[in-house]
Amino acid sequence: DVKVTQSSRYLVKRTGEKVFLECVQDMDHENMFWYRQDPGLGLRLIYFSYDVKMKEKGDIPEGYSVSREKKERFSLILESASTNQTSMYLCASSFAGATEAFFGQGTRLTVV
Amino acid sequence: QKEVEQNSGPLSVPEGAIASLNCTYSDRGSQSFFWYRQYSGKSPELIMFIYSNGDKEDGRFTAQLNKASQYVSLLIRDSQPSDSATYLCAVKKGYALNFGKGTSLLVTP
Repeated sequence: DVKVTQSSRYLVKRTGEKVFLECVQDMDHENMFWYRQDPGLGLRLIYFSYDVKMKEKGDIPEGYSVSREKKERFSLILESASTNQTSMYLCASSFAGATEAFFGQGTRLTVV
Repeated sequence: QKEVEQNSGPLSVPEGAIASLNCTYSDRGSQSFFWYRQYSGKSPELIMFIYSNGDKEDGRFTAQLNKASQYVSLLIRDSQPSDSATYLCAVKKGYALNFGKGTSLLVTP
């Protein structure tokens, strides 16, 4: 069974804090992704990585950065959290060259 | 025009009926299409994928793809209350998946 694990289910942070969301997968997947999901807006891609130390911007990268130092781990960083970053964050991973993506359980982040 | 479009619903069907969920996409070059199910408060889980024109069946689920019309659908036969969820259509775009906003399905006993 593919396992994608996100470090927290729920997180509450203050405006201006630096926030780290961690994701680990155990299937040796090359690709890893960060999405956010908001009511009425659906799933939107923030960043993805197709290899260690490689990253590409998705559709809404502003205010975020990522890090991938090891193949199994992909971190999303909110440099200075703002209230409009309150959302459900979903990490996913997949093999290279197509096929489906598998999702973690999600982190519901609230910025106050 | 949104890249992947779905009717948000809710789509309400009685138990035992066929639920039909539809999705259109704008990129004519798209090759891979996926249906995910998402229960409230949970993460999306893959139901099935389809690459070729025509139908693909897996148990009670059938995915249908028409590339000429840029249309992909999901049929759920013998719908059960446990099928009540949001169904997300996704189209492969480069490395990632581009998702529609989802259709909410309610199966009533």
